[in-house]
Order: sequence, then C-alpha cells, then structure tokens
Amino acid sequence: DQQVKQNSPSLSVQEGRISILNCDYTNSMFDYFLWYKKYPAEGPTFLISISSIKDKNEDGRFTVFLNKSAKHLSLHIVPSQPGDSAVYFCAANSNSGYALNFGKGTSLLVTP
Amino acid sequence: KAGVTQTPRYLIKTRGQQVTLSCSPISGHRSVSWYQQTPGQGLQFLFEYFSETQRNKGNFPGRFSGRQFSNSRSEMNVSTLELGDSALYLCASSLGENTGELFFGEGSRLTVL
Repeated sequence: DQQVKQNSPSLSVQEGRISILNCDYTNSMFDYFLWYKKYPAEGPTFLISISSIKDKNEDGRFTVFLNKSAKHLSLHIVPSQPGDSAVYFCAANSNSGYALNFGKGTSLLVTP
Repeated sequence: KAGVTQTPRYLIKTRGQQVTLSCSPISGHRSVSWYQQTPGQGLQFLFEYFSETQRNKGNFPGRFSGRQFSNSRSEMNVSTLELGDSALYLCASSLGENTGELFFGEGSRLTVL
C-alpha cells in the first residue's frame, strides 16, 4: 500500500520558469517530509525537508510547502535550470519508524 | 569526507542462488538503512541498523536479511533468488536521528536470470 504518492511520473518545464512537483500522503502519523533528487547511475541526494509543525521551508531556489489538512506537499523550484533535470522523490517519516516511505518519483526535464 | 560505498556495483546471479551486498557508511555514521528500487515500486525500505541492532524492518520476505558490524559496516543477504529480486539495492547512512536525512550510496545493481 503506497502511503506516499507522486501522481505525475514526469514533468517538462522551460529554463527560467517555475517547476512544481506534487506529493500526497495518506498516513496522518507522518511528521517529517523530505525531497530527494536522483541522477541516473547515482544514489538519491537529500534536497530539502520540512517538519509537520511548519508549512513552508525555503533553501535558495527550492521551497517546500506542506498542507497538513490536505495531506499534500509540493516542491517549487524557481528559476528552473537544465541541471535540475533529474528524478525527484518525495519521502515521509514518522517519529518512531527510522524508515522513509518514498513516492515513486517524478522525472523533471528542464529544457533550454 | 568519503561517501557511502557499496560493493559490488553490478552483479548477475541465477534463480536459486544467494547474494551478499556490502555497504560502508560515512565515517561517524552509526545508522545504515537498505532500500530496494524497482521501476514499478520506487524505493522500498528493507531494514535499518543502528549500533549493530536492527531497529526497523520493511515488508520483505525472510529471504532478505542483513547485519551490521561493530565498525558500522553493513551487509545484506538475499537467499534463494527470484527473478523479481532484480533491482537496484541502495544503502544509506546517517547519524541515527529519526529525521530522515539519509546519505545514499550509488547502489548495487542486481540482475537475476
């Protein structure tokens, strides 16, 4: 049973525009959310995270928004760059799990 | 600072065989987690070890097992391999707090024929 869902397998955006990647979750016990980026032939790398006590976290061009009532989070990349082209995974963690629940990923392509 | 190192990077096995994968965490990291990545299922949690103790285990059959050594290095073993075990096996290390900020290795690509 997939508790973290990324319903868009792929997304294409022009360079300089905003990329918005979405993620939904079903488990209300999740209290920490993360985004990972993965290039081909490499392991995922941590991008940004947000605790359930916040609704927004910003790090440079990357911002994550959390809507707890809707069990929805999104990652905004502004402005998008060709080097951002990768697969982005949403993940969620509960404070008693020591395990991450990942979505299936969204492949982002940023075109020049 | 060296990253997470996984060996072997690629391997091919046949059904019924067993395989052992190795992971060396970042120096100072005491937690090691293992994940299976397949095209259809994404990344799925296998197990997590901290100071040689398994703290959590995912929903995988008993053919999947792991262990952690006193130097924090970890191994996972899959016995009686099935075609469906073909996947990228990712190891991740962390300091051990439950914040989820894991550092992943490049993975071991297992193909079962």
